[in-house]
Amino acid sequence: NAGVTQTPKFQVLKTGQSMTLQCAQDMNHEYMSWYRQDPGMGLRLIHYSVGAGITDQGEVPNGYNVSRSTTEDFPLRLLSAAPSQTSVYFCASSVTGTFGGGSGNTIYFGEGSWLTVV
Amino acid sequence: QKEVEQDPGPLSVPEGAIVSLNCTYSNSAFQYFMWYRQYSRKGPELLMYTYSSGNKEDGRFTAQVDKSSKYISLFIRDSQPSDSATYLCAMKNNQGGKLIFGQGTELSVKP
Repeated sequence: NAGVTQTPKFQVLKTGQSMTLQCAQDMNHEYMSWYRQDPGMGLRLIHYSVGAGITDQGEVPNGYNVSRSTTEDFPLRLLSAAPSQTSVYFCASSVTGTFGGGSGNTIYFGEGSWLTVV
Repeated sequence: QKEVEQDPGPLSVPEGAIVSLNCTYSNSAFQYFMWYRQYSRKGPELLMYTYSSGNKEDGRFTAQVDKSSKYISLFIRDSQPSDSATYLCAMKNNQGGKLIFGQGTELSVKP
């Protein structure tokens, strides 16, 4: 049981390039989400999905696209990378839509993807 | 003003000390309160969870919620070097609500 797996761990991009951060979970969780973590800002929700075929925007969605074609996978696409997207990205999953805590529903995070845009 | 405020530290204490980590919040509708621990270069993991007001204890860790003051705390007794990590508070208003995180407090416990 691998939990939540993110790739790549580290990536350097040039401004304007596009790339996809991969996220996969093997816990059959319906809910998946992407966060970014920046110094002094905590974790901020980018996009989330309540199940295959359903996605929605979080707090900071601009510049990012997501899709959810299967329960297991939830890739995050940067369409045209900008230096402001330099950050650490975390994918997370949970059983239900409670997004962490409460009634035994724990949100599981991946180990993170460090992205630098130059 | 951020919905959740947390002193980023860093906080450095000697081994065996009692550590107090705190968050304040502005949204009185928050009912679910969580503490996550994040080791360096790792993802956050759920440490403690509390619903509404009151205290919850788990080993050396105690979580307190004071809704009247909009203030939550995490106490660590007999702190160990292995407790060195960033601690993030998080909260939400209902079962379906989005989780709002504090900025995280970096804790270092020196042997």
